[in-house]
Amino acid sequence: QVQLEQSGAEVKKPGASVKVSCKASEFTFNGDYLHWVRQAPGQGLEWMGWIDPNTGDTGSAQKFQGRVTMTRDTSINTAYMELSRLRSDDTGVYFCARESSGHYDAFDIWGQGTMVTVSS
Amino acid sequence: DIQMTQSPSSVPASVGDRVTITCRASQGLSSWLAWYQQKPGTAPKLLIYAASSLQSGVPSRFSGSGSGTTFTLTISSLQPEDFATYFCQQTQSFPRTFGPGTKVHLK
Repeated sequence: QVQLEQSGAEVKKPGASVKVSCKASEFTFNGDYLHWVRQAPGQGLEWMGWIDPNTGDTGSAQKFQGRVTMTRDTSINTAYMELSRLRSDDTGVYFCARESSGHYDAFDIWGQGTMVTVSS
Repeated sequence: DIQMTQSPSSVPASVGDRVTITCRASQGLSSWLAWYQQKPGTAPKLLIYAASSLQSGVPSRFSGSGSGTTFTLTISSLQPEDFATYFCQQTQSFPRTFGPGTKVHLK
């Protein structure tokens, strides 16, 4: 089954970093970008950034620039999102999602989400 | 950045109702617009892409229309499994922005 499998829940202290993984199953990273989306508790969807799995090129929303690092390991079909200098308002569920060029760049496959809790 | 708005923010509805949600963009998108459904505790699910194309496996009671700056998602006859929150997203440019969501709940 084509899917994205994310790493498990994390609890971090303010000021720490968190690294979330996203592994593709039954498909290979090719020309389609991989995106990261955040959802704070009870809130909407917030786009964080993208990575081109082929080249490693990345881009991020302005509010996360300087704090987010997106990488990938093509040998194991896995992408990573690291967020540093965590604050309490970084608490939420982090999703990875595949952008599909065949679907007008809509996000056709999503990971199950990774809950990140930032608390002292 | 392209700003996305949705109306209404909440829709009280009953099974069998026709439900329409509107999404507006601050700039023209042509047809670069997607709709997602999200149920509590789960990831969003793609329903509509290219403003009006139905994603594979999505029931035909869902439809999308519009172009430019105004788009609609219609559920022709609401089913029990359709109570959820619906988000629009522009896929034309970065940053990819989402609408704030519309919650369809039991009347």
